[in-house]
Amino acid sequence: EIVLTQSPGTLSLSPGERATLSCRASQSVSSDYLAWYQQKPGQAPRLLIYRASSRATGIPDRFSGSGSGADFTLTISRLEPEDFAVYYCQQYGSSRWTFGQGTKVEIK
Amino acid sequence: QVHLVQSGAEVKKPGASVKVSCRASGYTFTDYTMHWVRQAPGQRLEWMGWINTNNGDSTYSQKFQGRVTITRDTSANTVYMELSSLRSEDTAVYYCAKKEGSGWNYFDYWGQGTLVTVSS
Repeated sequence: EIVLTQSPGTLSLSPGERATLSCRASQSVSSDYLAWYQQKPGQAPRLLIYRASSRATGIPDRFSGSGSGADFTLTISRLEPEDFAVYYCQQYGSSRWTFGQGTKVEIK
Repeated sequence: QVHLVQSGAEVKKPGASVKVSCRASGYTFTDYTMHWVRQAPGQRLEWMGWINTNNGDSTYSQKFQGRVTITRDTSANTVYMELSSLRSEDTAVYYCAKKEGSGWNYFDYWGQGTLVTVSS
């Protein structure tokens, strides 16, 4: 099973700052099968990025994804108040889906 | 507009079973597979299994094999997830999630979640 490790665990930033979130896989992952989700307290996850770098419908262009192989990054160029949340990466491989443990982006 | 609406919270005793429903609307139900993902308190999201809503075939994560059953009712556009032999570690929010249809293996819509509490 491919294990996804996200870092940092918590990111303390101010609105307007840039956020860089990392997702590292225990083995190489197809970038076609790497996605990112945002989750706010009491809500279901919301799809942000699929295929490592494609934004989902309605997602602002301040969200961008990059990476390949075993290292992937989610970048939020300028944090808006509504962006403070937990972010998860997800991969598909060998007929199963796995998620990272999440990065919490909190207001500094 | 796609909506996935799940059944309400459940409280169960250890050893019991729980059945959670997920009613889909806003798209052709049988064109997309449906998955179940759970999130225990403070834990990462955990994939449990999926169902081919067209033919009813299900595939389960090895971790839950033998304890989970995913079924569907096409007349009601509803998918069900039943988990048996419940233990305290099964306390979690359970989500249904629709998988996109292009083969990129991500989940584009999620239900609101159903809290299942296992406690004696």
